[in-house]
Amino acid sequence: DQQVKQNSPSLSVQEGRISILNCDYTNSMFDYFLWYKKYPAEGPTFLISISSIKDKNEDGRFTVFLNKSAKHLSLHIVPSQPGDSAVYFCAGDLNQGGKLIFGQGTELSVKP
Amino acid sequence: NAGVTQTPKFQVLKTGQSMTLQCAQDMNHEYMSWYRQDPGMGLRLIHYSVGAGITDQGEVPNGYNVSRSTTEDFPLRLLSAAPSQTSVYFCASRRPSTQYNEQFFGPGTRLTVL
Repeated sequence: DQQVKQNSPSLSVQEGRISILNCDYTNSMFDYFLWYKKYPAEGPTFLISISSIKDKNEDGRFTVFLNKSAKHLSLHIVPSQPGDSAVYFCAGDLNQGGKLIFGQGTELSVKP
Repeated sequence: NAGVTQTPKFQVLKTGQSMTLQCAQDMNHEYMSWYRQDPGMGLRLIHYSVGAGITDQGEVPNGYNVSRSTTEDFPLRLLSAAPSQTSVYFCASRRPSTQYNEQFFGPGTRLTVL
């Protein structure tokens, strides 16, 4: 049972446009949702998170939206830059000692 | 701060061999976790710890052992390596209470089991 799903393995966007990465979940017990960015041969780095009691969180070019009724969250990157090209993982946090449940990841390619 | 460090960066084992993947953090984080990353599967939790002397199983614990004798270190042991354990392994840590619930990840260990 995949509790967190990212159904798009890849996404290609032009520089300056908006990138929208999507994530669906099934477990209503997630306390937080997090987005991580990963470059090849490096560990994931934290990008932005949202509490399950909120519906939007914004940090610079990055905004995460949470729709609890649809069990869906999305990450918006505006404007997209070539340096944003990476694999993006969403994760649900059960708030049980740091247990994160990750989606499969979406590879974002931002073309100049 | 060095953050989360992992050794070795690369390792090749033969089936049946044993080894320990090392993980250390210098941020005084109580929570530490081990994940493995496989193509198309994302990161999956192997074991985690909420403090020295306390460990618990994650999603895919079979074939792995952990112990936590200090706050800083959280080694992962493979007792008898199998080709299915070929993967990239990441260690992570965090404080129990943070503003963003973020975990900090190490650079990973790439393991190949022949």
